[in-house]
Amino acid sequence: GAVVSQHPSRVICKSGTSVKIECRSLDFQATTMFWYRQFPKQSLMLMATSNEGSKATYEQGVEKDKFLINHASLTLSTLTVTSAHPEDSSFYICSARVLAGIETQYFGPGTRLLVL
Amino acid sequence: RKEVEQDPGPFNVPEGATVAFNCTYSNSASQSFFWYRQDCRKEPKLLMSVYSSGNEDGRFTAQLNRASQYISLLIRDSKLSDSATYLCVASGGSYIPTFGRGTSLIVHP
Repeated sequence: GAVVSQHPSRVICKSGTSVKIECRSLDFQATTMFWYRQFPKQSLMLMATSNEGSKATYEQGVEKDKFLINHASLTLSTLTVTSAHPEDSSFYICSARVLAGIETQYFGPGTRLLVL
Repeated sequence: RKEVEQDPGPFNVPEGATVAFNCTYSNSASQSFFWYRQDCRKEPKLLMSVYSSGNEDGRFTAQLNRASQYISLLIRDSKLSDSATYLCVASGGSYIPTFGRGTSLIVHP
């Protein structure tokens, strides 16, 4: 299947700092990428849909000024958690939408964020 | 009511058993359905798509029942390595995917 990478895989930061997470499609172009957050023993929650060349679409309850998304190219979307707080500690996963007959999506390996 | 509902389990079965999971969806406009597998502290991985006619991949069989708005996953001859959380996904025409909470499967010796 298609390969999606995510960097970093793990980050620990102090409260108040900003953290940038990169999501790359390695062998295909992705006009649409999705950003999810998953707390322990909870389901994946869609945060936003990232569209190449346009503004991201945020789900209800997700602060767009806190979670900045930039999809500047067909292979890269970034999520920046600004002024991170301990409650932002979570597993952040991106996925890329693939059109190959039937639509599906492939996930990056995830980024585990711990805010102290 | 959640858009996609699954029994969280856990389903605890012995090796070699057959186990089935169901997933119900509330959005009748949903067009695409998938099963993903997620191992502990890992990202979800696509297991299989679910077609209207049903589909089979080795020990795994997926079915879609549009009238009752549910999809199912059947695993035959369970292996220890099948232990994981199984997520079902439904999406509409605009492909905004909605994940279920997942069903936990534990296969024991």
